[in-house]
Amino acid sequence: SQKIEQNSEALNIQEGKTATLTCNYTNYSPAYLQWYRQDPGRGPVFLLLIRENEKEKRKERLKVTFDTTLKQSLFHITASQPADSATYLCALDKGYSTLTFGKGTMLLVSP
Amino acid sequence: KAGVTQTPRYLIKTRGQQVTLSCSPISGHRSVSWYQQTPGQGLQFLFEYFSETQRNKGNFPGRFSGRQFSNSRSEMNVSTLELGDSALYLCASSLNSGGEQYFGPGTRLTVT
Repeated sequence: SQKIEQNSEALNIQEGKTATLTCNYTNYSPAYLQWYRQDPGRGPVFLLLIRENEKEKRKERLKVTFDTTLKQSLFHITASQPADSATYLCALDKGYSTLTFGKGTMLLVSP
Repeated sequence: KAGVTQTPRYLIKTRGQQVTLSCSPISGHRSVSWYQQTPGQGLQFLFEYFSETQRNKGNFPGRFSGRQFSNSRSEMNVSTLELGDSALYLCASSLNSGGEQYFGPGTRLTVT
């Protein structure tokens, strides 16, 4: 069966460091991979989308890589700030607006 | 542009009752998807509508249903509520099929 794994343990880092979050999947061939941010009590907010034929995508302090051979995506936040503290969700999309989400990794950035 | 809106924001129902949740997508968006979020299972896809047609359905019982109107607004209905239906129900809209989705704030449903 399809499985998406994100590190269930919270990631604690210091302000200014680079945070790296991992998303692994099995038995899946997504057309896209997306990353979302979710704050407590709120809906997820779209951050980045990367297509299966793309290796890397950047947006300001964010960078996503997508390795379809390893079935893995890495999500990086450089120069992290306390305001980046949130849960980050990885989602696989075969198209047709049907997202399969991982359970998310909580990031805590301390000053 | 106004974001995705969901009503009501909070709801308390009793086992056996039914409930209807409403979602208004971003203007111009034709695809509306619904998700259920619980601490144990995370975010799970319920169904997706595009131009009033249900195109995809997740692995949920038939008690969960939905519809989309000609103005792209969508409703989902849960009949014969069970305690396990307590969750945050999220609606998301997108311009076309696939691509980024824009989520509403959710409806927090509590079944007692």
